[in-house]
Amino acid sequence: QVQLVESGGGLVKPGGSLRLSCAASGFTFSDYYMSWIRQAPGKGLEWVSWISSSSSYTNYADSVKGRFTISRDNAKNSLYLQMNSLRAEDTAVYYCARYDNSAYKGAFDYWGQGTLVTVSS
Amino acid sequence: EIVLTQSPGTLSLSPGERATLSCRASQSVSSNYLAWYQQIPGQAPRLLIYGASSRATGIPDRFSGSGSGTDFTLTISRLEPEDFAVYYCHQYGSSPETFGQGTKVEIK
Repeated sequence: QVQLVESGGGLVKPGGSLRLSCAASGFTFSDYYMSWIRQAPGKGLEWVSWISSSSSYTNYADSVKGRFTISRDNAKNSLYLQMNSLRAEDTAVYYCARYDNSAYKGAFDYWGQGTLVTVSS
Repeated sequence: EIVLTQSPGTLSLSPGERATLSCRASQSVSSNYLAWYQQIPGQAPRLLIYGASSRATGIPDRFSGSGSGTDFTLTISRLEPEDFAVYYCHQYGSSPETFGQGTKVEIK
């Protein structure tokens, strides 16, 4: 069965860095676009970034552009999010999710359980 | 950026009742690329509907989606106890993809 397992969250000071990982299993990882989505405490969902199946294309929300970098290693079935210059407003649960390929990218058909990132001094 | 506005913010209903949730877009959603998700507190979202009206794998037929252009609806025909949750719409037809703010369906 499809599984996505995030790791790497934690407490970091403003201006600091963190790298999130997402380990995928149960499907052919290299066939799918992948994404990071976040949810601030008690708030709604916010798309953060996506990456194409072969890493040729990426895109970012304006709120993280220039600070976050998405990448993947298809040989390791893993997705990553390098987060630099972190701010208090980046505090959230970060989910990795798979696009379902029903359209150009599609909807998110599988989600990980999330990893909490807290930015605080 | 397409803004999705969900209404109502909270829906108070009893098990067995019908729930009707609305998602209105600030511009037309390309190719009706509109999805609905259910989120139970402490859990990740779960895909219910994609392409405005197609049920995702394993989703019971009491969940249905409809609409086109700028107005979309999620209907739960008869609420089961496990359906009390927060529901989000998501448009993926235009960049950046965006989510609505959510509708909470609570037990009356």
